[in-house]
Amino acid sequence: DAKTTQPTSMDCAEGRAANLPCNHSTISGNEYVYWYRQIHSQGPQYIIHGLKNNETNEMASLIITEDRKSSTLILPHATLRDTAVYYCIVKNGGSQGNLIFGKGTKLSVKP
Amino acid sequence: GAVVSQHPSWVICKSGTSVKIECRSLDFQATTMFWYRQFPKQSLMLMATSNEGSKATYEQGVEKDKFLINHASLTLSTLTVTSAHPEDSSFYICSARTLASTGELFFGEGSRLTVL
Repeated sequence: DAKTTQPTSMDCAEGRAANLPCNHSTISGNEYVYWYRQIHSQGPQYIIHGLKNNETNEMASLIITEDRKSSTLILPHATLRDTAVYYCIVKNGGSQGNLIFGKGTKLSVKP
Repeated sequence: GAVVSQHPSWVICKSGTSVKIECRSLDFQATTMFWYRQFPKQSLMLMATSNEGSKATYEQGVEKDKFLINHASLTLSTLTVTSAHPEDSSFYICSARTLASTGELFFGEGSRLTVL
């Protein structure tokens, strides 16, 4: 599975959009980009995933660059409850294997 | 949909005793479940892959005789920490995928184990 690079931490003002970047320059053609978040002392929560097209759901939007070497998770109106560690993971979508978690980005939403 | 539930949420036990943690897929069947462990301020680390009706596959460095995994049905996997020691104190998290999944996993709430 391709390696990802994320900033260690980010701050965001409540009500503003939170844009979380992820670099995955070695991604291969059959690998998807998955985003999860983990609020303190809880299990990871699935947010969104995509292959090459931008994706949007009720939680967030995922913007993948045309060359697929990087992506951005967008939380359109961050709230205090969005404070969490956000993980960007790249994996073959057809694989039955597990997800490998890196260190992620600690997002702090401030009033 | 795709809800995974763990029980108990937290447990405190004495050193030398065994503790069982259950992981259930509530609204889907899961032929494969994954057990992770997370120590404070660290990321999740895969311990083992639980396969329904067959033996679990353990990651390197995880003792299969200490961490017993049973996946007897398509909706239930259990992790038993045998002869627990204080160093086994951790946050244990299970996950599963649906048949329709394109790789995404759904995680339980986690179980906090404290061994005294």
